[in-house]
Amino acid sequence: DIQMTQSPSTLSASVGDRVTITCRASQSLRSWLAWYQQKPGKAPKLLIYKASNLEDGVPSRFSASGSGTEFTLTITSLQPDDFATYYCQQYESYPVTFGQGTKVETK
Amino acid sequence: EVRLVESGGGLVQPGRSLRLSCAASGFTFDNFAMHWVRQVSGKGLEWVSGISWNSGGIDYADSVKGRFTISRDNAKNSLYLQMNSLRPEDTALYYCVKDRYKGRQLDAFNIWGQGTLVTVSS
Repeated sequence: DIQMTQSPSTLSASVGDRVTITCRASQSLRSWLAWYQQKPGKAPKLLIYKASNLEDGVPSRFSASGSGTEFTLTITSLQPDDFATYYCQQYESYPVTFGQGTKVETK
Repeated sequence: EVRLVESGGGLVQPGRSLRLSCAASGFTFDNFAMHWVRQVSGKGLEWVSGISWNSGGIDYADSVKGRFTISRDNAKNSLYLQMNSLRPEDTALYYCVKDRYKGRQLDAFNIWGQGTLVTVSS
């Protein structure tokens, strides 16, 4: 199975900050990586697919990059609505696996 | 509006069975692979099982293999998860999930249901 490791597990930030989350895979994903945002009591929401493609309707302050085994999600100017937990997910092969999550909290 | 609505969750004793259903609407159901993903309260996401558009490809997480069975009825726009020999560690919110792209065997998950809660306890 492909192991996904996110860092940090928790990130304290303020509105307007630039935030970066890293995801590392135990083997190459090529570009088959997605990022999700989850707020308390809600289902996850797809932000990014195929490593760097912004899903329709997702604000442009979200961006992502990477290929192979190292990927990043960046929020250029953190907004109040962005405080949430973020997960990376590999879909290179079964079984699908997720990172453990990164909680973005208020500093 | 694209929508997935899960049902069938509840409280069940260890060793018993439960069948989850997911009703899909707003898209051509038989074009897309579908999945079940679960989440223990306060914890991360765990993929459980996936099924291709025509049921020709099915996969399971090791944690449920041999106990859970995924199926779909394209005529009814419905996805199912038959869960047998349930264990306390199966307690979680179970999400029905749709692949984003129909042209690949496995893709990102672009639509999620609201989830149905399964509690396994005596």
